[in-house]
Amino acid sequence: EAGVAQSPRYKIIEKRQSVAFWCNPISGHATLYWYQQILGQGPKLLIQFQNNGVVDDSQLPKDRFSAERLKGVDSTLKIQPAKLEDSAVYLCASSDSGNSYEQYFGPGTRLTVT
Amino acid sequence: SQKIEQNSEALNIQEGKTATLTCNYTNYSPAYLQWYRQDPGRGPVFLLLIRENEKEKRKERLKVTFDTTLKQSLFHITASQPADSATYLCALAGGSYIPTFGRGTSLIVHP
Repeated sequence: EAGVAQSPRYKIIEKRQSVAFWCNPISGHATLYWYQQILGQGPKLLIQFQNNGVVDDSQLPKDRFSAERLKGVDSTLKIQPAKLEDSAVYLCASSDSGNSYEQYFGPGTRLTVT
Repeated sequence: SQKIEQNSEALNIQEGKTATLTCNYTNYSPAYLQWYRQDPGRGPVFLLLIRENEKEKRKERLKVTFDTTLKQSLFHITASQPADSATYLCALAGGSYIPTFGRGTSLIVHP
């Protein structure tokens, strides 16, 4: 079974520019998560989707971050405009709604904001 | 406020010994606790889940305990190998809590 796919793997942008990340979860997984992992810290949940609905986005900085999962399959996370403190790895994970506790992570996108 | 604590110092052990990692939490009553492994440049990989009504869970060389009174989980790797060297993350969730990860502890197994 194919794993969670993410692209791009690396991105370097200047502050105030915009950037988008893409995630394709494991086929059939209803739940999709976006995490931000700053160097030396654990992943921090930004947003959780169940199919194409938002379950939780309480930690998403909504003034600059947005995410969508329009058809309940793949998802995009956007940052506009980026700040220096957004430099981090952005991880996407998915889980089967029947066993939603076990999350499968993608390789992540490393974002550097200069 | 809710807090998850994992030892920030790396744990160095000799091959063949048992590694024990600790996860403490405060102001949580999680329904379950998970342990993940993360290698450099990769996403976390799920290892084990233990529920609040379970004391202990085993999988091959791995063992997890969960003490909801002490608010602590211990993660053991027996007969450790250099290939076990990685960062190990604990995560709490369930009930009204969103999945929340600790910062992880780095394990280094020396041959």
